[in-house]
Amino acid sequence: GNSVTQMEGPVTLSEEAFLTINCTYTATGYPSLFWYVQYPGEGLQLLLKATKADDKGSNKGFEATYRKETTSFHLEKGSVQVSDSAVYFCALIRDDKIIFGKGTRLHILP
Amino acid sequence: DAGVTQSPTHLIKTRGQQVTLRCSPKSGHDTVSWYQQALGQGPQFIFQYYEEEERQRGNFPDRFSGHQFPNYSSELNVNALLLGDSALYLCASSQTGVSNQPQHFGDGTRLSIL
Repeated sequence: GNSVTQMEGPVTLSEEAFLTINCTYTATGYPSLFWYVQYPGEGLQLLLKATKADDKGSNKGFEATYRKETTSFHLEKGSVQVSDSAVYFCALIRDDKIIFGKGTRLHILP
Repeated sequence: DAGVTQSPTHLIKTRGQQVTLRCSPKSGHDTVSWYQQALGQGPQFIFQYYEEEERQRGNFPDRFSGHQFPNYSSELNVNALLLGDSALYLCASSQTGVSNQPQHFGDGTRLSIL
């Protein structure tokens, strides 16, 4: 079946550090891939997306590349800020149904 | 342009009661999906509505039912509430005809069962 596995948190970094959150997926065919972010007390916001192999999604300094050969979609940011503290969800969509990973809580220290 | 709106924001119920949650989709969207997010977990797909009918369903019991109205808004009903139904319930909307596009989420309704 379709599934998403992402690294467990919490991840704690200092401001301006480099961020990587690993995500791998299992799916039939070629799903679209997403990263969503959830700030405290809020719903989910789409952070970035990629719809086919080798696509790179980017937004607000975050990037992720759709790697078909490793079935991965790792999230990266070169210099994190305190305001990036949130929970990040990797997800895929098949047949208009989104399947989420369990989420990774990110905590950035000033 | 209003995004996805959900009501109420918070709700407290007791075991055995019934609850109705409401969702208005983003303007221009005609498809509504509901998700359950337990504490510390990722959202789980409950079901999806299009043209006032349930189009697909996740692994949830029949106690969970829904409805979509002609204006595309939707309700989620849960009967015979259990303690395990305590969660954040998220509504997401999208536009049919654009395959596998990202869905837009509301801020959710936090349901607590005592």
